[in-house]
Amino acid sequence: DTAVSQTPKYLVTQMGNDKSIKCEQNLGHDTMYWYKQDSKKFLKIMFSYNNKELIINETVPNRFSPKSPDKAHLNLHINSLELGDSAVYFCASSQVRWYSGNTIYFGEGSWLTVV
Amino acid sequence: GENVEQHPSTLSVQEGDSAVIKCTYSDSASNYFPWYKQELGKRPQLIIDIRSNVGEKKDQRIAVTLNKTAKHFSLHITETQPEDSAVYFCAARLGGGADGLTFGKGTHLIIQP
Repeated sequence: DTAVSQTPKYLVTQMGNDKSIKCEQNLGHDTMYWYKQDSKKFLKIMFSYNNKELIINETVPNRFSPKSPDKAHLNLHINSLELGDSAVYFCASSQVRWYSGNTIYFGEGSWLTVV
Repeated sequence: GENVEQHPSTLSVQEGDSAVIKCTYSDSASNYFPWYKQELGKRPQLIIDIRSNVGEKKDQRIAVTLNKTAKHFSLHITETQPEDSAVYFCAARLGGGADGLTFGKGTHLIIQP
């Protein structure tokens, strides 16, 4: 069984379109994330949700809107897509444990290409 | 916030030799330091991690060392094999909670046959 699953895996779309990426985790974790990996492979956090509550919102354009209907799901909606949005978007989850490490598990990634 | 620097960006070693990747972090309150391996077209996967109350941890051919005073940690891979070829990321987490991880920029490890 896939622990963190995201769909679609590949997405090619035109500039100006709106698209969504869905993510689900079956690990029972409280926290979910969206990371963006650009063409240089740099992994940067975009959002973090804990029990459906937004914790981190890095300097991401407000065209990106995460939505967490429950703690097992964190979807990413992107409005008015731009060429620079082309990247791999990774969903991830972890179980928050205070004063100790928390392993983050990544989904398989969604390859977004904006043309 | 946390800032993680990783070196080198590319590392080429002969099969059977050792490889060392180094990272430094900026926030002395960081307490968790994982290493992820990402093969081409795949997701990053945890290979080893270390917490701030431990100086060294080993798992078969891989080991991680942490120097809290100097705020740096390193990944050591011994007896490298072709399947070790991948991009390796170090990361640091500040405190507890849902803050996620701050990643280094990655090291492309190439194992030469």
